[in-house]
Amino acid sequence: SQTIHQWPATLVQPVGSPLSLECTVEGTSNPNLYWYRQAAGRGLQLLFYSVGIGQISSEVPQNLSASRPQDRQFILSSKKLLLSDSGFYLCAWTMGGAGETQYFGPGTRLLVL
Amino acid sequence: QKEVEQNSGPLSVPEGAIASLNCTYSDRGSQSFFWYRQYSGKSPELIMFIYSNGDKEDGRFTAQLNKASQYVSLLIRDSQPSDSATYLCAVTYPVEYGNKLVFGAGTILRVKS
Repeated sequence: SQTIHQWPATLVQPVGSPLSLECTVEGTSNPNLYWYRQAAGRGLQLLFYSVGIGQISSEVPQNLSASRPQDRQFILSSKKLLLSDSGFYLCAWTMGGAGETQYFGPGTRLLVL
Repeated sequence: QKEVEQNSGPLSVPEGAIASLNCTYSDRGSQSFFWYRQYSGKSPELIMFIYSNGDKEDGRFTAQLNKASQYVSLLIRDSQPSDSATYLCAVTYPVEYGNKLVFGAGTILRVKS
C-alpha cells in the first residue's frame, strides 16, 4: 500500500530564516505531487505541483519554491520566510497519468515569528 | 477562474439526523468531484468521489451530482458526534491541468449529542 510522509510535523522559524519541508511517497512510482498551504480557518491553496522529476509548476507567485530531485520526493523551500508564510503545509499525491484522487500527508504546521 | 463554493456553516444537526452539505462549481468542464473530511489540526481524508450524474452511496454517506446545475452534495445519515469536522468539496480538471484539484473553503459540521 502507498504511504506519504512529511517532516517536520511542526516548525517555528524566525522571519527571514530559510525553510525546507520534505515530502516522500512510498509504494508507488511516477506519482503526481502537490504542495498546498492552508492558513488558519481557510481553504486549501495549491502552491506547486509536479508530474515528474524536475518538473515543477507554480500556481501562486510568492517567495516559496519547490523541487523534485527524485521520483517520490518533493521539497518546499524558501530563502527568507515572511510572517504570511505561517500555515499548515500539506503534500498530496495521485497516481500519474489518469489518476485523480489525491491523498494527503499528515502536514507540517509552520509558525513564523 | 475555476471556483468551488460552499456554505462555511457551521451546520448544526442533532445526533441521528441527516446532515446535508452542498457545493457548487463554476466550470462545466469539471469531470470529477470529491468530498474530504478534515478534523481540526489534521490533514484532509477522502470520504468519497463521484464522476457521474446521480447518487453514489457508501455506508452512511451519499454523494449526489447534478452536472446540469453544477451542483454536488454530500448526505450523512445517522449523524454521529464523530462526524463533527470540516467537509471540503473538491473538483478536478483534466490531465492537461495536472489533475489539479480546486477546493472549496469547507463547511463546518457540528453534530450535537
